[in-house]
Amino acid sequence: EVQLVESGGGLVQPGGSLRLSCVASGFTFSNFFMTWVRQAPVKGLEWVANINQDGSEKYYVDSVKGRFTISRDNAKSSLYLQMNSLKAEDTAVYYCARVRLRTEGRYFDYWGQGTLVTVSS
Amino acid sequence: EIVLTQSPGTLSLSPGERATLSCRASQSVSSTSLAWYQQKPGQAPRLLIYGASSRASGIPDRFSGSGSGTDFTLTVSRLEPEDFAVYYCQQYGTSPPYTFGQGTKLEIK
Repeated sequence: EVQLVESGGGLVQPGGSLRLSCVASGFTFSNFFMTWVRQAPVKGLEWVANINQDGSEKYYVDSVKGRFTISRDNAKSSLYLQMNSLKAEDTAVYYCARVRLRTEGRYFDYWGQGTLVTVSS
Repeated sequence: EIVLTQSPGTLSLSPGERATLSCRASQSVSSTSLAWYQQKPGQAPRLLIYGASSRASGIPDRFSGSGSGTDFTLTVSRLEPEDFAVYYCQQYGTSPPYTFGQGTKLEIK
């Protein structure tokens, strides 16, 4: 059974840093792109960042470029999101998800339960 | 950036009725890059449809997707009580950002 378990969320002051983790199980982690998606309170979904299988390709939404860094450790089946210079507008539930890139479609097929990040003084 | 606009914002229907949800893209989107997700309160999104019209594993056949170009539709043929939720479309095109629509809330009338 595919499982994704996020951790690392919490309350942080504006300008502070936080590192989110996502541990994967039930599939060969190193074979898949992975992604982070966030959801601000009572808002919709926003894609944040993607990383390819070996970590050599990384993509970010403009609003987090230069502040967030996505990374992975395939030996530990883990995905990370290092968040620096946090702003109030980064407050959200952060989900990790597995990316499927197939001829038939490109989509996020498994999601974690999410971890809440609150940026407030 | 491709903007996805979903309509209506809220859809009020009764169990047993048919629901039709729309997703319109600001520019043409490959059918293979259009997906639909369902989200219930306090839960993570769940993949329903990928490639515009293919049902994900375990998704009941009352859910169907259609469309091409800039106009896509999610249809629920006969609403069950567990179908009342928020639905999002998403495009995963050839380059980021991989945007979501703002969501359609399907509520019980």
